[in-house]
Amino acid sequence: DIQMTQSPSSLSASVGDRVTITCQASQDISNYLNWYQQKPGKAPKLLIYDASNLETGVPSRFSGSGSGTDFTFTISSLQPEDIATYYCQQYDNLPLITFGQGTRLEIK
Amino acid sequence: QLQLQESGPGLVKPSETLSLTCTVSGGSISSSSYYWGWIRQPPGKGLEWIGSIFYSGSTYYNPSLKSRVTISVDTSKNQFSLKLSPVTAADTAVYYCARQGRIMDVWGKGTTVTVSS
Repeated sequence: DIQMTQSPSSLSASVGDRVTITCQASQDISNYLNWYQQKPGKAPKLLIYDASNLETGVPSRFSGSGSGTDFTFTISSLQPEDIATYYCQQYDNLPLITFGQGTRLEIK
Repeated sequence: QLQLQESGPGLVKPSETLSLTCTVSGGSISSSSYYWGWIRQPPGKGLEWIGSIFYSGSTYYNPSLKSRVTISVDTSKNQFSLKLSPVTAADTAVYYCARQGRIMDVWGKGTTVTVSS
């Protein structure tokens, strides 16, 4: 099984800050990684696919990078509506997938 | 526009069977491009993939749940279903169904299932 280690588990930042979340895979998964945003009481929403591609309609302040085992998700300038929990998800062996533990993002 | 809707009992007794159905509307479940998956989220915790099914009936399960899970598909009704048995309090969660390809781009709103006597 491929394990995904996401950090930090929680993060507090100010509006306008640059925010970075990392995700590490237990083995090489190429660029088979997605990032999702989940707001309370809602289903997850896809933000980034294939590690670095922005889903249609998602603001450009969101970005992703990485390949192999190490991945990064960045919000370039945090906005109040970005308060949510973020998850990475690998799909190296579809349809078997695993999610990271999640990062809860709060406003200072 | 494709939509998914979960349905089933919100309360299940310990040791019994959790049964949920996901109804797909606005598109066909018989697409060769997608799997159809179940994901759950215990209260205050993260997302856990339970398993997925192809329209042909091929199934794929999370190894940690495989012994207790059955996923089936009914293409005539454009539905797929989840059975989990036997359940314990640890199976209390919001259960989501989703369309699954390289991405999970369409999700149901989720249904809360509580395991309690």
